Amino acid sequence: GENVEQHPSTLSVQEGDSAVIKCTYSDSASNYFPWYKQELGKGPQLIIDIRSNVGEKKDQRIAVTLNKTAKHFSLHITETQPEDSAVYFCAAPAGGGGADGLTFGKGTHLIIQP
Amino acid sequence: DGGITQSPKYLFRKEGQNVTLSCEQNLNHDAMYWYRQDPGQGLRLIYYSQIVNDFQKGDIAEGYSVSREKKESFPLTVTSAQKNPTAFYLCASSWLGTGELFFGEGSRLTVL
Repeated sequence: GENVEQHPSTLSVQEGDSAVIKCTYSDSASNYFPWYKQELGKGPQLIIDIRSNVGEKKDQRIAVTLNKTAKHFSLHITETQPEDSAVYFCAAPAGGGGADGLTFGKGTHLIIQP
Repeated sequence: DGGITQSPKYLFRKEGQNVTLSCEQNLNHDAMYWYRQDPGQGLRLIYYSQIVNDFQKGDIAEGYSVSREKKESFPLTVTSAQKNPTAFYLCASSWLGTGELFFGEGSRLTVL
């Protein structure tokens, strides 16, 4: 099955700086790569995703890049704000088609320092 | 409002007792999932169901059971056979083939 590695486990940045979280996956057939944000005591929410036919996708201050050859993808948050503090998870399909659920990385605790 | 409802939000149980966590969705999604979350471990798949009356084991199914009698409902039973049941449990749903999961707010189970 799919294996997803995520780094770093904790990331502390100054407010206004950029944050980058990186993930690698093992199954070359995977074609969908979402990122979820989880606030304390709540369920994860999708913030951005990318499919394998594109290399980069942006949505305001967040972007995701994908390198299929190297089997890694990254989340970029620019101009960080206090409300960006949360745990972020990357994921990839547990089975190639996606109907078997997602395999998640272990998460990155992002701390925005005022 | 459309969404996924998990209940109860907090649950305490004595060792040796079974407990059932509820998950209901009104998004008309075909597939439903149960994940377990432990600190520093990410989310691990327990069971999933792509269609009514059918379900599959995930990576950590031992000590858990599920049913899918209705499209909207996917309850999870944590049995006394689960050796370390204290955790945060998340239910999710999706349309088949899209990959995107929609999560509930979770249920925190504590075994005393």
